[in-house]
Parts: sequence; structure tokens; C-alpha cells
Amino acid sequence: NAGVTQTPKFRILKIGQSMTLQCTQDMNHNYMYWYRQDPGMGLKLIYYSVGAGITDKGEVPNGYNVSRSTTEDFPLRLELAAPSQTSVYFCASSSPPGQQTSYEQYFGPGTRLTVT
Amino acid sequence: AQSVTQLDSQVPVFEEAPVELRCNYSSSVSVYLFWYVQYPNQGLQLLLKYLSGSTLVESINGFEAEFNKSQTSFHLRKPSVHISDTAEYFCAVSESGGQNFVFGPGTRLSVLP
Repeated sequence: NAGVTQTPKFRILKIGQSMTLQCTQDMNHNYMYWYRQDPGMGLKLIYYSVGAGITDKGEVPNGYNVSRSTTEDFPLRLELAAPSQTSVYFCASSSPPGQQTSYEQYFGPGTRLTVT
Repeated sequence: AQSVTQLDSQVPVFEEAPVELRCNYSSSVSVYLFWYVQYPNQGLQLLLKYLSGSTLVESINGFEAEFNKSQTSFHLRKPSVHISDTAEYFCAVSESGGQNFVFGPGTRLSVLP
């Protein structure tokens, strides 16, 4: 299993541009998450999904959109990029309640995004 | 809403010495608690979790954490650290059964030879 994969690894955007961060998992996990990590701030939850077609906002959703058309994919869309969105973005997935590995999040390697 | 405090942003310790990384949380409901480790330029990896049952939980590489409900703490300990334990450690909390995870700001553990 590849686990959780994210593309691209690095990206530089100009202010006002848009882009999609890709996230795919091959563990058949129902739950998927997007976080951003800023220095000294830990991880902040942007959006999460409990299954295909279902998404919900986390702590910092403004400026982002998500969709979940399949179990495997959970792309994160940035519209009108701003310098405040410069961060490292992590995608994660987990199995649903009732399983031995419930609530254990598996993280991708991250996407380092700079907006200038 | 939950919150997590990790009071120590950096902890230097000599190899083979014991270490404790502190984590305190705030929540009005019952919680699940987690410790994750992040090595440089990598994603986070689960170290251990507390969902219910025994308040002392252990990882496969010698770390342990104890859930203390009265002190709202979940401190991480290891009796003897190795150079390879150098990493950033994050404490996280979620409402029992919830999917909204809140992470602390992290503690950078540096193991010195």
C-alpha cells in the first residue's frame, strides 16, 4: 500500500491564483482530513469528510473548498490565493469507529505552498 | 470546544536520560487523546492513543502516556531516549466519537550525544 499520497510536494503561487492540492489514499478509509501546519502553531483542521459526498468544515475553512466524489480522493481547492495561505498542507485518513485502528490518522508527506 | 497546551516548545535531553513531554487539554466532554511524532520533512505518525480503558498506554518503541482525568493531562514519557527519538511531538484531542481533532503546538525533542 502506498498509504496517503499528496501532490504536488512544493508549489509557489502568485496572489490571486488558484490551485488544487491532490490527496489520495489506498487504505479504503472512510474518513479524510485536510490540515495546515504553520510554524509553532501545530496543525489546524481545514475540512474533513466522513465518506464520499459528505464534507464538513474544520477550524479554519475560509479560503478553501473541498469535494469528495470517491472514497480514495479528497482534493483541496484554493481560490484567490493570499499570503496568509502560505503553509504546509497535510492530508490524512482514518478508518471509521468500531475498528481496531479507529481514530488513528495516517498522514501524507505534505505540500509546501508559498504565496507571494 | 477543546484546546491543547504543550507548555514546552523545546526539550533538550542527553541520550539514555529519561524524558517527559507535557500535554494538558481543556474540554467540557469526554475525550480521546493522541500523541503523534513528526520527523523532519515528513508527515505525522501516530505514537499512541487513549480511547478508553487502562489510563496507561504504551507504544512499541518504549514511549508511554498516562491519562489523568482530574488533572486533564496526557503526558508522554520515555525512561531512556535515543538519538533517533529526536523529532517534534504533537499532542491531540478529540471529543469521544468525534472527528474534529485539535492539535497542540508541538514540542521539539532534541536528544544530545
